[in-house]
Amino acid sequence: DVKVTQSSRYLVKRTGEKVFLECVQDMDHENMFWYRQDPGLGLRLIYFSYDVKMKEKGDIPEGYSVSREKKERFSLILESASTNQTSMYLCASSSPFRTGELFFGEGSRLTVL
Amino acid sequence: SQQGEEDPQALSIQEGENATMNCSYKTSINNLQWYRQNSGRGLVHLILIRSNEREKHSGRLRVTLDTSKKSSSLLITASRAADTASYFCATRGSTLGRLYFGRGTQLTVWP
Repeated sequence: DVKVTQSSRYLVKRTGEKVFLECVQDMDHENMFWYRQDPGLGLRLIYFSYDVKMKEKGDIPEGYSVSREKKERFSLILESASTNQTSMYLCASSSPFRTGELFFGEGSRLTVL
Repeated sequence: SQQGEEDPQALSIQEGENATMNCSYKTSINNLQWYRQNSGRGLVHLILIRSNEREKHSGRLRVTLDTSKKSSSLLITASRAADTASYFCATRGSTLGRLYFGRGTQLTVWP
């Protein structure tokens, strides 16, 4: 089975801190995604990557950056965390050569104080 | 926006009843997928229907797709308390596998 692992389930950070959210997948998927999920807003795409060292902005990239140095790892970076970035962050991966089914990690709930 | 929209936002039923959730979308699609999310967890893929299909079954799940109306429905038959979760539809266009998610339907099944 595909496994997508997010490094932290719960994080508490202070305003202005730099935050790294790590995601690793073990199925050699080309595509990887970072979403944030907020009540009433559903899933919103922050960034995605369809190959190593490639990245594309999603719908809400402001305040975030990403890194994909290796195929299996996709990192989300908050350069200077703010309280409005308190949210659930979901990483997912897929193969572009199939139907586009996404495999999600368990999520990282970030609280910024 | 290409985002799908689920209806209703919340649904509360008794065990044994059927649950129907609807999804509408705005643009042409390659396929439409349904996902389930238990509280505080990641999403899990349930079922996929291609744009040239009209109906698909998987266990207690039945999905229909009407591309002329740009809508889909997910039916869960003989619901169980363990089906309590949020259900999301997601549409795939052509952009490198990107999916567009709706806001979800919160289903509560009472024992």
